Amino acid sequence: SQKIEQNSEALNIQEGKTATLTCNYTNYSPAYLQWYRQDPGRGPVFLLLIRENEKEKRKERLKVTFDTTLKQSLFHITASQPADSATYLCALHTGNQFYFGTGTSLTVIP
Amino acid sequence: NAGVTQTPKFQVLKTGQSMTLQCAQDMNHNSMYWYRQDPGMGLRLIYYSASEGTTDKGEVPNGYNVSRLNKREFSLRLESAAPSQTSVYFCASSELYGGLGNQPQHFGDGTRLSIL
Repeated sequence: SQKIEQNSEALNIQEGKTATLTCNYTNYSPAYLQWYRQDPGRGPVFLLLIRENEKEKRKERLKVTFDTTLKQSLFHITASQPADSATYLCALHTGNQFYFGTGTSLTVIP
Repeated sequence: NAGVTQTPKFQVLKTGQSMTLQCAQDMNHNSMYWYRQDPGMGLRLIYYSASEGTTDKGEVPNGYNVSRLNKREFSLRLESAAPSQTSVYFCASSELYGGLGNQPQHFGDGTRLSIL
């Protein structure tokens, strides 16, 4: 079955630095990969999606890369702020199923 | 703009009881989804409705039933609740059913369900 792995350990970074989160997947080659943000007690909120033939996608301070050879997506937040503290989830669709990673908890320290 | 609304927000049940979780979206989306989220497991798809009038099983459908009441509403029913169904349940919708994964999903804020 499809498996998605994200950094299981929480990530703590200093304000202003770049946060890099990793999403690895196995057993399939998805056409798209999505990233979501989830705050405590809330539902996930869509951030970005990237196609398999796009190497990189940007939205304001967010950047996503998609390496289909490595079966990996990287999610970057530049000039990080305490308000960026949340759990970030990656997701993909294959075989009529949507799969989400377990998420990486990010804390930006002022 | 309400988006996706789930009711109730919290519920405690006893083993064997039944209940229905309600979900409604006001974005005129065609597709709707039910997920459960458990610690260390991530979000797992229970059922989805690609369009009004259709429903399909997701990754973990056992113990659940769904009804796509109309375009706006998609309910999830637990016929005989079990402690293993203690979880946070999320409903989501998307404009279309993204067969390639190219449709962003919009989530409600969840129902926290405990089964004793």
